[in-house]
Amino acid sequence: QQQVKQSPQSLIVQKGGISIINCAYENTAFDYFPWYQQFPGKGPALLIAIRPDVSEKKEGRFTISFNKSAKQFSLHIMDSQPGDSATYFCAARTQGGSEKLVFGKGTKLTVNP
Amino acid sequence: DTEVTQTPKHLVMGMTNKKSLKCEQHMGHRAMYWYKQKAKKPPELMFVYSYEKLSINESVPSRFSPECPNSSLLNLHLHALQPEDSALYLCASSQALTVNTEAFFGQGTRLTVV
Repeated sequence: QQQVKQSPQSLIVQKGGISIINCAYENTAFDYFPWYQQFPGKGPALLIAIRPDVSEKKEGRFTISFNKSAKQFSLHIMDSQPGDSATYFCAARTQGGSEKLVFGKGTKLTVNP
Repeated sequence: DTEVTQTPKHLVMGMTNKKSLKCEQHMGHRAMYWYKQKAKKPPELMFVYSYEKLSINESVPSRFSPECPNSSLLNLHLHALQPEDSALYLCASSQALTVNTEAFFGQGTRLTVV
């Protein structure tokens, strides 16, 4: 119930292409869904986040799509660039600011030039 | 300022050493966290502090001892570690446990136990 399942484990995309990473959850108490980007040897950096009262949020080339009924959310990276090559983690947090961020297992994205 | 600063960036210690990791934030956040991250894995929660009090200990071995001396600082004291404790240790902070906002992570301390 506390799991967030993330796929794919790795993704290779050509420059200019669209990168899509998917996450699914079971716990309906999750109320906040952030995505983190992590470069090797660095800490995770918040990329974009969504709450379940909206179906889509866009920030620049990054878009989160959220399907509450299916309990799924996804990250779309438009016009992918080599600089986007990193590991991406989806996460979920329960209502009221529960202590735990439950992370997906991560997706290693490689954008080829 | 949305920065969480961790020192040192790298640390190599023997199994009999005592060392400390430090974390500092000046965002006025009242929740602070320690995470451990092994290679190619997501961060794993170790401890949570809320208003300088320990709120969560995720069954972490006693060789890891957290301390929150004030609202801006978080320490992790290390003693008699094992080689399998080698990992990236991440500090994070958020506004408060009762407010569902984003957590900001530091750059981490890369710990190697020899």
